[in-house]
Amino acid sequence: DAGITQSPRHKVTETGTPVTLRCHQTENHRYMYWYRQDPGHGLRLIHYSYGVKDTDKGEVSDGYSVSRSKTEDFLLTLESATSSQTSVYFCAISVVQGARLSKQYFGPGTRLTVT
Amino acid sequence: AQSVTQLGSHVSVSEGALVLLRCNYSSSVPPYLFWYVQYPNQGLQLLLKYTSAATLVKGINGFEAEFKKSETSFHLTKPSAHMSDAAEYFCAVSVESSASKIIFGSGTRLSIRP
Repeated sequence: DAGITQSPRHKVTETGTPVTLRCHQTENHRYMYWYRQDPGHGLRLIHYSYGVKDTDKGEVSDGYSVSRSKTEDFLLTLESATSSQTSVYFCAISVVQGARLSKQYFGPGTRLTVT
Repeated sequence: AQSVTQLGSHVSVSEGALVLLRCNYSSSVPPYLFWYVQYPNQGLQLLLKYTSAATLVKGINGFEAEFKKSETSFHLTKPSAHMSDAAEYFCAVSVESSASKIIFGSGTRLSIRP
């Protein structure tokens, strides 16, 4: 699992409140990702990072922001949570060997419910 | 832009029967293709990957997939289903050789009948 942990694992919050999810890795991988998983949609990329302070948007980035001030931590923030952001959120890292993508490892997920 | 389409959101087979999960991709350049498995309440695990070395790729748990460029397909198969294979399976594509974005299909839930 490449030493990926996510916190919290479960959270219930109210509409309009800010929420921050944390992804932590222990193996100094450069590339980190946040996905959301919803029935019928598979996994959709929210944001990704290719280094400290280097981030970019994925396909469903509206309403989300990210920060990466240290290699090991990648934070996902919902500035003002909405019910449409109720989902399971997965963090992932990519392993690169010889400048080529080798594989991607996923964290255990965070189940977020916005009421 | 690259994309993947998984045909069938739910597949049910009998224990011991052939498993066939379908995936078609769209890409203007040679893709990297992946199959992942997700067991209930868990994250995703890599089953196998295609990175142009060989068209028939063998993965874990007896699964394999064949890359067919002419059909733009990367179907996942297993000769004999086991009850423990019940899970959700995702096909994914990345066309970039550096580690950036991977695009996932919508998933296929595999059920195994006793």
